[in-house]
Amino acid sequence: EDQVTQSPEALRLQEGESSSLNCSYTVSGLRGLFWYRQDPGKGPEFLFTLYSAGEEKEKERLKATLTKKESFLHITAPKPEDSATYLCAVQGGSQGNLIFGKGTKLSVKP
Amino acid sequence: GAVVSQHPSWVICKSGTSVKIECRSLDFQATTMFWYRQFPKKSLMLMATSNEGSKATYEQGVEKDKFLINHASLTLSTLTVTSAHPEDSSFYICSARKSHATEAFFGQGTRLTVV
Repeated sequence: EDQVTQSPEALRLQEGESSSLNCSYTVSGLRGLFWYRQDPGKGPEFLFTLYSAGEEKEKERLKATLTKKESFLHITAPKPEDSATYLCAVQGGSQGNLIFGKGTKLSVKP
Repeated sequence: GAVVSQHPSWVICKSGTSVKIECRSLDFQATTMFWYRQFPKKSLMLMATSNEGSKATYEQGVEKDKFLINHASLTLSTLTVTSAHPEDSSFYICSARKSHATEAFFGQGTRLTVV
């Protein structure tokens, strides 16, 4: 059964304190791994798609990496506006839908 | 960009009434749309997948007669919650995907409160 586990559940950082969020997955035939950002009361906002192990993508202070078992979302020198819940999802096999993790709630204090 | 608009953003309805939520892809044609439900501090739970012009595929445990999904065009899908009850109160989110693409883009979500 396809499964996505995100850790930690919550993360509190000081502004400028870099850290990483983890997404571990088991899926038959990975078609893509996705990172989204979700603000309270809003729909998820697309950040990255990773397709194969070794792939990396960057956007501003965020960098996503992928191995055969997990993905990391690295946040460098975060700012308070980076506070949000970060969701990881996988698409595998013949299914078209995404399997989501429960997310990591990130809080960045000034 | 790929913009998905969901309407309304919030709705309050009386128990026993029906509520329709719209999901529109504004700048692309979406052959597939997905409807999710999200509970507080929980992951997004897929309710159903709809392909334009065909019947929606519902996930196990989701009542198709209660959650009516219509995907009549390549830019519009609707979710109707029929005979709503307080336990149907939740955050409903749609997403849309272009044909031959893997990325799905999400609407803003609809907060449904049944009183």
